[in-house]
Amino acid sequence: QKEVEQDPGPLSVPEGAIVSLNCTYSNSAFQYFMWYRQYSRKGPELLMYTYSSGNKEDGRFTAQVDKSSKYISLFIRDSQPSDSATYLCAMLWRDDKIIFGKGTRLHILP
Amino acid sequence: NAGVTQTPKFQVLKTGQSMTLQCAQDMNHNSMYWYRQDPGMGLRLIYYSASEGTTDKGEVPNGYNVSRLNKREFSLRLESAAPSQTSVYFCASSRQFYGYTFGSGTRLTVV
Repeated sequence: QKEVEQDPGPLSVPEGAIVSLNCTYSNSAFQYFMWYRQYSRKGPELLMYTYSSGNKEDGRFTAQVDKSSKYISLFIRDSQPSDSATYLCAMLWRDDKIIFGKGTRLHILP
Repeated sequence: NAGVTQTPKFQVLKTGQSMTLQCAQDMNHNSMYWYRQDPGMGLRLIYYSASEGTTDKGEVPNGYNVSRLNKREFSLRLESAAPSQTSVYFCASSRQFYGYTFGSGTRLTVV
């Protein structure tokens, strides 16, 4: 069983819709949980990070962590064409080592 | 603020040739990393350096070597390139618990 599972998509939604992106993980030792956004031909950039179970909001983005279910989500409200990118979940394992999901490709249709 | 700078951005090599990918960061981060990204495989860690003077193998180190020249610079060397090393290579640096800052990548093709 892979440590981090993420549906590769692509996921296509109309502009203005709420987007839900998800990851599951198997290692209960994972601590910090992150979401990265990667535009085509660019490096990943950190979007949000959270430590505990619960929700964290930043503008149109909400990160949700459920440690009991080993499940994390990223919600995007009022989605825009500029949100079209690949979204990678990531988890801090120990020291500075991060385990990445393979990413979900998201297309927001104008 | 430049962040993480990678050179070159593109490179084509012939099988058996060698090259060095350069990476420099100006954020005073202790840790630096080299990843490769392939379709369907995600980001895979090649080597990392937790501090100046130390390096460790990651998930896919075979065929690569690294040098942590100083706190700012971390280079990746391919001694004898193979077609299986065709990939996009990313360098990253980090301050503990704050996630990684990535460079813009090097697209390498080995023919």
